[in-house]
Amino acid sequence: QVQLQESGPGLVKPSETLSLTCAVSGYSISSGYYWGWIRQPPGKGLEWIGSIYHSGSTYYNPSLKSRVTISVDTSKNQFSLKLSSVTAADTAVYYCARDPAMSPYYFDYWGQGTLVTVSS
Amino acid sequence: DIQMTQSPSTLSASVGDRVTITCRASQSISSWLAWYQQKPGKAPKLLIYKASSLESGVPSRFSGSGSGTEFTLTISSLQPDDFATYYCQQYNSYSLTFGGGTKVEIK
Repeated sequence: QVQLQESGPGLVKPSETLSLTCAVSGYSISSGYYWGWIRQPPGKGLEWIGSIYHSGSTYYNPSLKSRVTISVDTSKNQFSLKLSSVTAADTAVYYCARDPAMSPYYFDYWGQGTLVTVSS
Repeated sequence: DIQMTQSPSTLSASVGDRVTITCRASQSISSWLAWYQQKPGKAPKLLIYKASSLESGVPSRFSGSGSGTEFTLTISSLQPDDFATYYCQQYNSYSLTFGGGTKVEIK
């Protein structure tokens, strides 16, 4: 059974960098597929942040592209998100998920999500 | 960017009702559409992909249809476990966007 688990600080100060990691079990990232990050501000809808292939190829949401970096570590079977220059608008539940396709498409397995609050 | 518009934003229905949710894309996305169900405090759950393909393990009362710019998610007979928020999501040109969501409430 594929499982994903997000980890990282729950509180980040404005202007700093948000960093999260998603540990994958039950499936080897090296086997393929895309892996994505999605966020959801409290009480609001879902927003795709970006996706990464096991080889390191990335695609980002154009509205966030200048601040986002997604990387993969196949040796640890995990992938990571960095979002720089955060503001209160970046407060959200952050999900990692698997995209079972050869290009960014849809997400079949999701982590439970982690709430990140941006506040001083 | 392609915008996805869901309607209605809220839907009140009773157990046993047939429910239809619509999702419209601002430009053609062929059949590159997925539907998710989300319950409070939980991650979204994939229901439908490629507009009409039912994800493994999802009850057959859920179905999807459409292509181009207009899509529908239908629940043939609403069950107590189906009260939740539903999102559509498109894929086009290596960019993904979600609809605003439809909350299905108990009437």
